[in-house]
Amino acid sequence: NAGVTQTPKFQVLKTGQSMTLQCAQDMNHEYMSWYRQDPGMGLRLIHYSVGAGITDQGEVRNGYNVSRSPTEDFPLRLLSAAPSQTSVYFCASSWDISTDTQYFGPGTRLTVL
Amino acid sequence: GENVEQHPSTLSVQEGDSAVIKCTYSDSASNYFPWYKQELGKRPQLIIDIRSNVGEKKDQRIAVTLNKTAKHFSLHITETQPEDSAVYFCAASIGTGANNLFFGTGTRLTVIP
Repeated sequence: NAGVTQTPKFQVLKTGQSMTLQCAQDMNHEYMSWYRQDPGMGLRLIHYSVGAGITDQGEVRNGYNVSRSPTEDFPLRLLSAAPSQTSVYFCASSWDISTDTQYFGPGTRLTVL
Repeated sequence: GENVEQHPSTLSVQEGDSAVIKCTYSDSASNYFPWYKQELGKRPQLIIDIRSNVGEKKDQRIAVTLNKTAKHFSLHITETQPEDSAVYFCAASIGTGANNLFFGTGTRLTVIP
């Protein structure tokens, strides 16, 4: 199993550009989520999904969009990138919403100029 | 939503000494408390967790304690080794598992050989 994979590893965008961060898992996990990690702020939840076609927002609410179909993929879309979205983004998955162990992907370092 | 505070932000200990990291949470409904270790440039990895129906849990040199009344939990690392050097994050979840996690801001632990 590859586990949780993310692409790209690094990305530089200009303000206003859009892009999609890819996340995939091959463990048949139902629950997937996206976090951003900023210096001194820990990880903050952006979006999560409990199954195909079911998504919801976390504490970071603006500027991102997600979809879940097929269930292996959970892409994160930046609609119009802003410098405030410069961060490291981690995708994570777990068996289901009640499972303790959450597996993180390797992360994507995004810089918005 | 939940607010998790973590102290100290940095901690240096001599090899072989113990290290203690403390977290407090605000929402009394939180019932799952994991700890993650993140090495430089790597993804967070779960090292130990505890549920609200347990006061203490131990795994070799690592232990976590939980005081529900005071709403705080702590990570204890004994006989520290240089490979314990990393950033440690606490988190809290109201859900039944590792979903909708609220993270602390991290503690950078340095073990001095």
